[in-house]
Amino acid sequence: DGGITQSPKYLFRKEGQNVTLSCEQNLNHDAMYWYRQDPGQGLRLIYYSQIVNDFQKGDIAEGYSVSREKKESFPLTVTSAQKNPTAFYLCASSTGTGDHEQYFGPGTRLTVT
Amino acid sequence: AQSVTQPDIHITVSEGASLELRCNYSYGATPYLFWYVQSPGQGLQLLLKYFSGDTLVQGIKGFEAEFKRSQSSFNLRKPSVHWSDAAEYFCAVSFKGFQKLVFGTGTRLLVSP
Repeated sequence: DGGITQSPKYLFRKEGQNVTLSCEQNLNHDAMYWYRQDPGQGLRLIYYSQIVNDFQKGDIAEGYSVSREKKESFPLTVTSAQKNPTAFYLCASSTGTGDHEQYFGPGTRLTVT
Repeated sequence: AQSVTQPDIHITVSEGASLELRCNYSYGATPYLFWYVQSPGQGLQLLLKYFSGDTLVQGIKGFEAEFKRSQSSFNLRKPSVHWSDAAEYFCAVSFKGFQKLVFGTGTRLLVSP
């Protein structure tokens, strides 16, 4: 079954700690995306990558970092510099060839206390 | 800047009644338009998409949407709502040469018995 895997489903951290969220896809997609979702605000783009070893900041990149060393993996690190990290994080991928349809993972809910 | 407006934050519909969720976008170019659905705590699932051609598009789960260029709208409809349709619905837009999706803030659908 092709799809996107995000782990873990729920993540709890203490303030001041960095935390890395996993995203893996076996769809052979070139492009991958990270979104943050807060109630009433829809989805906001954090980072995206159109090809291995390259990525671009989205609308709310401050306090986050990513890497794209493999086509199938796009981990997101939430650093201690992110002022309000508690949120639902969604990973997505697309072929990147222009049809723009994105396929989403199940999400990770991060709670920082 | 490109934007998507979903003017209704919440909508309550009786089971069996018809449904229309509104979506308007801003930008002059021909858009690529999407509707996604999200159940609580889950990822997003694509309901339907419009790229070109027939302005009335059919999707999964009995949903359809109509692209009206003159109104910059892409409203989602369903003739008879089922209790399982209760979820949050997101409209999204992209454009040729634009590698990102812009999402609306979502409409939460409640279905009453």
